[in-house]
Amino acid sequence: KAGVTQTPRYLIKTRGQQVTLSCSPISGHRSVSWYQQTPGQGLQFLFEYFSETQRNKGNFPGRFSGRQFSNSRSEMNVSTLELGDSALYLCASSFTGVRNEKLFFGSGTQLSVL
Amino acid sequence: AQKITQTQPGMFVQEKEAVTLDCTYDTSDPSYGLFWYKQPSSGEMIFLIYQGSYDQQNATEGRYSLNFQKARKSANLVISASQLGDSAMYFCAMRETDSWGKLQFGAGTQVVVTP
Repeated sequence: KAGVTQTPRYLIKTRGQQVTLSCSPISGHRSVSWYQQTPGQGLQFLFEYFSETQRNKGNFPGRFSGRQFSNSRSEMNVSTLELGDSALYLCASSFTGVRNEKLFFGSGTQLSVL
Repeated sequence: AQKITQTQPGMFVQEKEAVTLDCTYDTSDPSYGLFWYKQPSSGEMIFLIYQGSYDQQNATEGRYSLNFQKARKSANLVISASQLGDSAMYFCAMRETDSWGKLQFGAGTQVVVTP
């Protein structure tokens, strides 16, 4: 069974650009969550999607957005990139996203903003 | 306010020894779940163990066990018989009711296993 797949693995962008990251969840998983990991702030929740609907959102500016497709694949977009957006972006999936379900994570996309 | 506290930034442990990683949490939700994840240098978060707030027994998964003390709001991870491959960052996390897909993570503990 394939795990959570995130593409690309590495990205280098410049300030002001926008970026789109992709996540393919484990087959059968309908909940996809996104996290930002930085040395200073640690792991922070961005948002969660289930059946193409955003159910939960963290405290990030509107420049961070996402969507989910009918096949549960998800994308997140960051517009007008800032230096502080440099981070490892992790995607996680689970069947329904309820409390006791474990999240399966991908290997992440390392974004560097120059 | 910090909901998950991991007070040990890093620790060394000898191969084949046991190690305990501390985690305390703060919540007023009576129904919550506690997770431990391992993150090697490759970046992927690997699930280790789960404990539900209503679970009567401490969770165990192979060499991993969770010392759950609900009254003290403590959920320490015990790794028995450490192996070199256990060298990684370890995160404690909590999920509360209706927090769809949202795990709140602690700052993590870096574990280095030495021969």
